[in-house]
Amino acid sequence: KAGVTQTPRYLIKTRGQQVTLSCSPISGHRSVSWYQQTPGQGLQFLFEYFSETQRNKGNFPGRFSGRQFSNSRSEMNVSTLELGDSALYLCASSLPTGLDTGELFFGEGSRLTVL
Amino acid sequence: AQSVTQLGSHVSVSEGALVLLRCNYSSSVPPYLFWYVQYPNQGLQLLLKYTSAATLVKGINGFEAEFKKSETSFHLTKPSAHMSDAAEYFCAVMRGVGGSYIPTFGRGTSLIVHP
Repeated sequence: KAGVTQTPRYLIKTRGQQVTLSCSPISGHRSVSWYQQTPGQGLQFLFEYFSETQRNKGNFPGRFSGRQFSNSRSEMNVSTLELGDSALYLCASSLPTGLDTGELFFGEGSRLTVL
Repeated sequence: AQSVTQLGSHVSVSEGALVLLRCNYSSSVPPYLFWYVQYPNQGLQLLLKYTSAATLVKGINGFEAEFKKSETSFHLTKPSAHMSDAAEYFCAVMRGVGGSYIPTFGRGTSLIVHP
């Protein structure tokens, strides 16, 4: 069974640009969540999607957005990049609520560097 | 609000020695608790989880953790460290929100294993 796939793995952008990251969940998983990992702030929850709807959102500015497609694939977008957005962005998928206990299956992440 | 505290950002042990990584949580309801491991340049991988069944939970790679409600702790242990155990370890508590689960992660503990 294929795992969670994130693309691209590495990317470099400059301040003011925007970036789109992609995540393909494990087959059958309908929930996709996104996390930002930095040395200073640790692992922080960005948002979670289920059946193309955002169910929960973390405490991040509106520059961070996401969406989910009918095949459960998800994208996140960061507009007007700032130096502080440099981080490892992790995507995780999970089974629908009621069938699981919240176990997350993570991709390898997309490492974003903002210059 | 739920929180997770991991005592010690770095833990250093010799190969073959006992591994003890500490995690304390705050939660107003019985939680779902998890330990994840992250190897360099990779995503997080589930080690074990507590879901209100047995208080002693066994995971992969010889790790286990004991849920102690009176101490609000979920410490991770392994009897004998191996060089391959060197990684970052994260404790997480899940809370149900809007029909899904939102994780709160600890800041992580880096396990260093000396030969």
